[in-house]
Amino acid sequence: EPEVTQTPSHQVTQMGQEVILRCVPISNHLYFYWYRQILGQKVEFLVSFYNNEISEKSEIFDDQFSVERPDGSNFTLKIRSTKLEDSAMYFCASDEGQGFSGANVLTFGAGSRLTVL
Amino acid sequence: QQQVKQSPQSLIVQKGGISIINCAYENTAFDYFPWYQQFPGKGPALLIAIRPDVSEKKEGRFTISFNKSAKQFSLHIMDSQPGDSATYFCAAETGTYKYIFGTGTRLKVLA
Repeated sequence: EPEVTQTPSHQVTQMGQEVILRCVPISNHLYFYWYRQILGQKVEFLVSFYNNEISEKSEIFDDQFSVERPDGSNFTLKIRSTKLEDSAMYFCASDEGQGFSGANVLTFGAGSRLTVL
Repeated sequence: QQQVKQSPQSLIVQKGGISIINCAYENTAFDYFPWYQQFPGKGPALLIAIRPDVSEKKEGRFTISFNKSAKQFSLHIMDSQPGDSATYFCAAETGTYKYIFGTGTRLKVLA
């Protein structure tokens, strides 16, 4: 079964450093997303991406964050100048974008755990 | 307006019992309500979903009941099994490509 692949599975970084989280979405999917889950809390939407541009972003997704799809397969989340509160599990998701409105079925990756010290 | 409230936070059920998890929402623009199941160390995986034009959807042991007037929906797991032990998230979406998740319910089914 096709799956969304994320790397690294766990990254530890010092506060103030930049991190890049990578995702390989399912190959025929058109829409890509980043969500995050702070330990023990709910899954929160960060950003959606379609046709090489951001479709929507949450208030969490400020100038510290950026996304890009550099080579047509990878989808990356860059976090500049990391803060302690950025420690979380970051999930990439994708969907094929077919079907009627409201029927987007997201497939999530296993996540990248970011620990900021 | 954008919140989805989920309860209970945790649930312990005997094997063979019925697990019930409830969610409520405010935004009437939500038009798609999926439930996701998450095992430790894994990403959330779609379990079952419903649109507001039906009041119930059943897939195997899993049923979603939807009450549009009350703006509530619930997940029922019949004949709960230890393998169902996981965290369950309800979610809602308006068709704008983002999901609003509930806070999650940690289910433990005792053998």
